[in-house]
Amino acid sequence: GESVGLHLPTLSVQEGDNSIINCAYSNSASDYFIWYKQESGKGPQFIIDIRSNMDKRQGQRVTVLLNKTVKHLSLQIAATQPGDSAVYFCAENMNFNKFYFGSGTKLNVKP
Amino acid sequence: SAVISQKPSRDICQRGTSLTIQCQVDSQVTMMFWYRQQPGQSLTLIATANQGSEATYESGFVIDKFPISRPNLTFSTLTVSNMSPEDSSIYLCSGGARGNEQFFGPGTRLTVL
Repeated sequence: GESVGLHLPTLSVQEGDNSIINCAYSNSASDYFIWYKQESGKGPQFIIDIRSNMDKRQGQRVTVLLNKTVKHLSLQIAATQPGDSAVYFCAENMNFNKFYFGSGTKLNVKP
Repeated sequence: SAVISQKPSRDICQRGTSLTIQCQVDSQVTMMFWYRQQPGQSLTLIATANQGSEATYESGFVIDKFPISRPNLTFSTLTVSNMSPEDSSIYLCSGGARGNEQFFGPGTRLTVL
């Protein structure tokens, strides 16, 4: 499978601060990316996606940035809340085919 | 969006036996996939479940060990055959439209003794 990795396996932030979770992908042909949130005992939940013809996409409190030059993806969470505590995965997709997942970052939000 | 359910939610099995996991989607989807997730780790793609034809397996996974069926656009099964303790894991199915986000089921937690 493709190699998708993350720089930080664990991230601790104070409630109310902004969080940035990073992801490096290896396949320059990947054209679609998704960030998932996984809470303990549950399946991954879609957060936000971005296609390779964009470099930024914003949702509610979340922003995804894509840098194709260095094959880097990031997820920014504004005003992090305790409910944001979870493991976050990036996933890459090529040619409308299957998704490969990164290693994951655990986000701990301290009250 | 699609809502995905899996049965069973968990099971404890004896080595050498087989378990079939069911995945049901509440709407027709183009793509369905099966993943394995070891505790504290990421998701590893097992195979793409193809409707009406043989599944497409990733490197390291074979049909004899993980037979998959997909008789229609809303249902798929994954069988874990001749189980060993190394097969203890969470098995997840996903579904969605081709080229769009995939939605996940809650997973099946399998323990093999």
